[in-house]
Amino acid sequence: KAGVTQTPRYLIKTRGQQVTLSCSPISGHRSVSWYQQTPGQGLQFLFEYFSETQRNKGNFPGRFSGRQFSNSRSEMNVSTLELGDSALYLCASSLAGRGGSDTQYFGPGTRLTVL
Amino acid sequence: AQSVTQPDIHITVSEGASLELRCNYSYGATPYLFWYVQSPGQGLQLLLKYFSGDTLVQGIKGFEAEFKRSQSSFNLRKPSVHWSDAAEYFCAVVPWAGGGADGLTFGKGTHLIIQP
Repeated sequence: KAGVTQTPRYLIKTRGQQVTLSCSPISGHRSVSWYQQTPGQGLQFLFEYFSETQRNKGNFPGRFSGRQFSNSRSEMNVSTLELGDSALYLCASSLAGRGGSDTQYFGPGTRLTVL
Repeated sequence: AQSVTQPDIHITVSEGASLELRCNYSYGATPYLFWYVQSPGQGLQLLLKYFSGDTLVQGIKGFEAEFKRSQSSFNLRKPSVHWSDAAEYFCAVVPWAGGGADGLTFGKGTHLIIQP
């Protein structure tokens, strides 16, 4: 079974631009979560989608948004990029996102650099 | 809100020696507990998880972890490390019943260095 895939793997953008990252979950998984990883803040939860609905959101500004499609693929968008948005963005999928009872499987991440 | 503390930022261990990585959590009830490993340029791989039952949990790659409720700890151990174990290790928690959609709360990670 194929794992979680994320595209692109690397991105370079300039301040003020917007960016869209994509995540394809493991086949059959309906929950997709997004995390931001930075050296200073570590791993932080962005949001989680299940059946095309955002069920939970972390403490990030509204510039960070996402969506999920009917095939469970998910995208996250960051508008008006800031230097501090430079990070590794990780996507994780699970069967139904039922708290800890569903294991989250992570993709390799998208490395975003904002210049 | 829950929090996770990994007190050791870096740990250096000789190949073949034993390993223990510390993790303490703060939460009102027993949460689900996880250990993940991240190799350079890679995503996170689940080593093991605990949510009930036997407090000693076996994972992949020869790792185990012990849940101690009285100490709010979930330390990761391995009896003999290999050079390929060099990586970043993360402890994480999610609430027990969690509403189904709570994200993982991670510790800051412990960077494991293996000396030949």
